[in-house]
Amino acid sequence: EAGVVQSPRYKIIEKKQPVAFWCNPISGHNTLYWYRQNLGQGPELLIRYENEEAVDDSQLPKDRFSAERLKGVDSTLKIQPAELGDSAVYLCASGLGLAVGTQYFGPGTRLTVL
Amino acid sequence: DQQVKQNSPSLSVQEGRISILNCDYTNSMFDYFLWYKKYPAEGPTFLISISSIKDKNEDGRFTVFLNKSAKHLSLHIVPSQPGDSAVYFCAAREGANNLFFGTGTRLTVIP
Repeated sequence: EAGVVQSPRYKIIEKKQPVAFWCNPISGHNTLYWYRQNLGQGPELLIRYENEEAVDDSQLPKDRFSAERLKGVDSTLKIQPAELGDSAVYLCASGLGLAVGTQYFGPGTRLTVL
Repeated sequence: DQQVKQNSPSLSVQEGRISILNCDYTNSMFDYFLWYKKYPAEGPTFLISISSIKDKNEDGRFTVFLNKSAKHLSLHIVPSQPGDSAVYFCAAREGANNLFFGTGTRLTVIP
């Protein structure tokens, strides 16, 4: 069974530039999460989708971050414009719903903002 | 405010010995706890979990202990193997809410 796929794996941009990350969850998983992991920290939730609906985006910095999950499958996370402090690993995870327990993570996209 | 804390950023253990990774939490409403393992350049992978109605859960070489009164859980790996070298994250959840992760402990198992 294929795992969570993310692309690109690495991205280097200059500040004020836009950037987008893509995630393809495990087939059949209705719940999708975007996390940000800063160096030396644990993952922190940015947004959670149940199918195509964003059910928790309270931690998403909405002035510069946006996300979408069209058709309830793939998802994209965008930053525009990027700031130096956005340098981090952006992780996507999927699951069968919170009540079931575990989340399955993709390998992440390491973003470096110069 | 960090609701899940892993106060030891690193741990080194000899191969074959026991590894004990610790985690403390502050939210008494957390009712489900998980451990994730992360290798470099990979996402975290689920390792083992425990519900708050239990105080121990075992899966092969891995055992998680929960002490609710102390708001403390630990992961025991016996015997430790070099392939266990990774960063271990503790995570906790309240009901059907989101996971809160600790900052991780880097385990090094020395051959």
